[in-house]
Amino acid sequence: GESVGLHLPTLSVQEGDNSIINCAYSNSASDYFIWYKQESGKGPQFIIDIRSNMDKRQGQRVTVLLNKTVKHLSLQIAATQPGDSAVYFCADRFSGGYNKLIFGAGTRLAVHP
Amino acid sequence: DTEVTQTPKHLVMGMTNKKSLKCEQHMGHRAMYWYKQKAKKPPELMFVYSYEKLSINESVPSRFSPECPNSSLLNLHLHALQPEDSALYLCASTPDSGDQPQHFGDGTRLSIL
Repeated sequence: GESVGLHLPTLSVQEGDNSIINCAYSNSASDYFIWYKQESGKGPQFIIDIRSNMDKRQGQRVTVLLNKTVKHLSLQIAATQPGDSAVYFCADRFSGGYNKLIFGAGTRLAVHP
Repeated sequence: DTEVTQTPKHLVMGMTNKKSLKCEQHMGHRAMYWYKQKAKKPPELMFVYSYEKLSINESVPSRFSPECPNSSLLNLHLHALQPEDSALYLCASTPDSGDQPQHFGDGTRLSIL
């Protein structure tokens, strides 16, 4: 991911709506991508991952899309719930090496009732 | 509840103190990681241990000294820290160094007076 800027972007959604969180990465050699959720006072929690030989992967209420052409990753959350409110980070890993992850700047998701 | 346990949860120390952060996992994971996270920023990798050997040191100042006494335990020894070292210190683990998501603890909130 790209860690840019001093402000944490915020996405505000209504409960029940779908959310889309976007992330750009810079290294075309990255081969593995992860989305994490971090709630206040907690460590990052794994949501979903995808390898570079795929362009879409679905989990429970979440879908990750990977566009290697433009080096873009997105996380879609269906039927967003108040418990989804958190900061979301994408992370990418350089091919080879010791699973060194580079985290993006993060996006705060605020879910309103 | 996280399967990676970090202690203490909070630590306040003076610049001349020596203290240690502890991380423990009993998942049989053989790779362990230390990250530093400043407020409203993504985690930044500090050290990686693979099979109890230090494999990555991201040019971390020598006032931070990691130690991996066994496959379940990771320590971070602190000495002569600076106020700018105040941050959340996160530990993570993976089964090995392959394509796997890192499992994070909830961190130690460190404040340097």
